[in-house]
Amino acid sequence: DTGVSQDPRHKITKRGQNVTFRCDPISEHNRLYWYRQTLGQGPEFLTYFQNEAQLEKSRLLSDRFSAERPKGSFSTLEIQRTEQGDSAMYLCASSLVSQFFGPGTRLTVL
Amino acid sequence: QQQVKQSPQSLIVQKGGISIINCAYENTAFDYFPWYQQFPGKGPALLIAIRPDVSEKKEGRFTISFNKSAKQFSLHIMDSQPGDSATYFCAGGSNFGNEKLTFGTGTRLTIIP
Repeated sequence: DTGVSQDPRHKITKRGQNVTFRCDPISEHNRLYWYRQTLGQGPEFLTYFQNEAQLEKSRLLSDRFSAERPKGSFSTLEIQRTEQGDSAMYLCASSLVSQFFGPGTRLTVL
Repeated sequence: QQQVKQSPQSLIVQKGGISIINCAYENTAFDYFPWYQQFPGKGPALLIAIRPDVSEKKEGRFTISFNKSAKQFSLHIMDSQPGDSATYFCAGGSNFGNEKLTFGTGTRLTIIP
């Protein structure tokens, strides 16, 4: 499968715990994006990278969120001290021109 | 500020009919307008996209119509099939899609026999 992959697909955690998600983009795609989607809504932009440089962060990305793309390939999104409001689907996309999405990581914070 | 407004919220169409979903945008910096299809529990899948230098783009049964002066665009699904039942999102982006996308709120489409 040469599409965007995300791991894990599902994560259940307790409030206050830290979680980390991984995204592997389509090889040769130099841009990588993170979005968050809640039930019944469209994806909302969080941040994006061109190669290893983080070019833009949304105001939705509080200090508890951090994203990295250390070698310009895979990316990680970490949420520290999770809150119930963080429960959502976290989507990763990659692009050369058009953005192609992965299957998402469903986070549930209890 | 919601920059992309999508309607209707839900749509029921008979098999073989034409499904039409509409979007309006506010940000005049947008120069790339994709449509995505999403099934439950899956990530959005790119269907078709248009740039504002053309008024229409067709790919198979899917057509985007674009009205730059009205800042509106629409998706037409011809000969709608039960397998088309999904949620559809329009979006707008700048720099020909190389920057963030701003999505509409989605349309749940149901095709009935």
